[in-house]
Amino acid sequence: NAGVTQTPKFRVLKTGQSMTLLCAQDMNHEYMYWYRQDPGMGLRLIHYSVGEGTTAKGEVPDGYNVSRLKKQNFLLGLESAAPSQTSVYFCASRPSGRATNEKLFFGSGTQLSVL
Amino acid sequence: GDSVTQMEGPVTLSEEAFLTINCTYTATGYPSLFWYVQYPGEGLQLLLKATKADDKGSNKGFEATYRKETTSFHLEKGSVQVSDSAVYFCALSEMDSSYKLIFGSGTRLLVRP
Repeated sequence: NAGVTQTPKFRVLKTGQSMTLLCAQDMNHEYMYWYRQDPGMGLRLIHYSVGEGTTAKGEVPDGYNVSRLKKQNFLLGLESAAPSQTSVYFCASRPSGRATNEKLFFGSGTQLSVL
Repeated sequence: GDSVTQMEGPVTLSEEAFLTINCTYTATGYPSLFWYVQYPGEGLQLLLKATKADDKGSNKGFEATYRKETTSFHLEKGSVQVSDSAVYFCALSEMDSSYKLIFGSGTRLLVRP
């Protein structure tokens, strides 16, 4: 089982360049999330989606855009990369349902450096 | 807003030592609480969870009890192994329809042979 797959795993960008991170899940999950992980700050939510065609802002959305055109895919875009966006990015998903104790399934992360 | 506070690391222990990683939270309502673990180069994995006050989550020798009166969810293990070396995150679930998780800053554990 593939679970949650993120591509690419590593990327180096120059300031001002753009890129898209892809997250794909094969578990038919409704909810998908993009987090960034920075030293000493844990994981912070960038954007999330509660279903195909929906997106919403999280805690740190500035400088990022997202799209959920297909249920299995959640794309994170950087239109004009900045050094402050150097981070490790994690995608996560969870099934539908009202239980708050459902676990999230995480991808293995994308390490992004912006020079 | 809701938040999670964890003890700062790194925590360095010898094999077979007792482990405690403190976690406290601030939340409206009664969120579910989680401990996730991240091994080097990997994503986060659920370690254990608890849904309501006085619930005890347990897995792989780790335990944590949901303490409403002290708003805490401390992680414990009686005898750590080298293979437990990882980063541990405490988290709570938001009570709205997003079901998103709010994470603490993480605590790195290093277990020496």
